Amino acid sequence: DAMVIQNPRYQVTQFGKPVTLSCSQTLNHNVMYWYQQKSSQAPKLLFHYYDKDFNNEADTPDNFQSRRPNTSFCFLDIRSPGLGDAAMYLCATSTGFYNEQFFGPGTRLTVL
Amino acid sequence: GESVGLHLPTLSVQEGDNSIINCAYSNSASDYFIWYKQESGKGPQFIIDIRSNMDKRQGQRVTVLLNKTVKHLSLQIAATQPGDSAVYFCAEHSSNTGKLIFGQGTTLQVKP
Repeated sequence: DAMVIQNPRYQVTQFGKPVTLSCSQTLNHNVMYWYQQKSSQAPKLLFHYYDKDFNNEADTPDNFQSRRPNTSFCFLDIRSPGLGDAAMYLCATSTGFYNEQFFGPGTRLTVL
Repeated sequence: GESVGLHLPTLSVQEGDNSIINCAYSNSASDYFIWYKQESGKGPQFIIDIRSNMDKRQGQRVTVLLNKTVKHLSLQIAATQPGDSAVYFCAEHSSNTGKLIFGQGTTLQVKP
C-alpha cells in the first residue's frame, strides 16, 4: 500500500549528539513536510520541500536541517540535540499545498 | 496574527451519542480546512476537509460545517464509538502562505 514511512519509530540520543530521522513515501507526492509535536500540543511546521525547493519556517532553529535527495526520501538532521528537542517528529506529504497531507506514524525522539 | 483555536480542550460523550467539536479561526484569507484525528502514539489521520466555497460536507458518520461569517468550523460525529476516542485537530490552509496551521486540539473521550 502507498504510504508514508518513518524510521526509526523511537530514537534515543544523547545531549549534543547528532541524530538523523528519515522519512520515505511511495505516494510520489511533490511536497514533503517535517513537523515537531510536543506533548499535548499541535504539530508545528519546521520546514517543507516542494520538489527540490526548500522552505524553512522563520522560527525553526538552525540546529535543525533537512535533506531531500530524491522524491521518495526526506531526512531531518538535528545537529546538536538539546533536552528541549525531545518530541514526536512527524513527516507528511501532499500533492500540493491545497491538498490533504498524509502523515507518517512519527518518530519519538528522546534526548538524554 | 493567524491562529486557529478550539473552544474546549476535552469532550466526554457517551457511546452512541453524537459529538460536536468546535474550532475558531482568525484568518479570513484561509480557503481550505481539514479535520485530523490523532490516536496516542500515531500520526494525524485525515478525517474530512472542506473548501471555503462550501458550508457543509458529509462523510461516513462525520459532517464538517463551515461558517465563514463568524470564522467557525465544527466536526460532527454521529453515533460516537469507543474507537473515536482520540485528539482532534482542525487545521486551515492559509492562502497567504500556503501552509497548514493546526489548532490546539480537542481530546474526545467516549464512555462505554
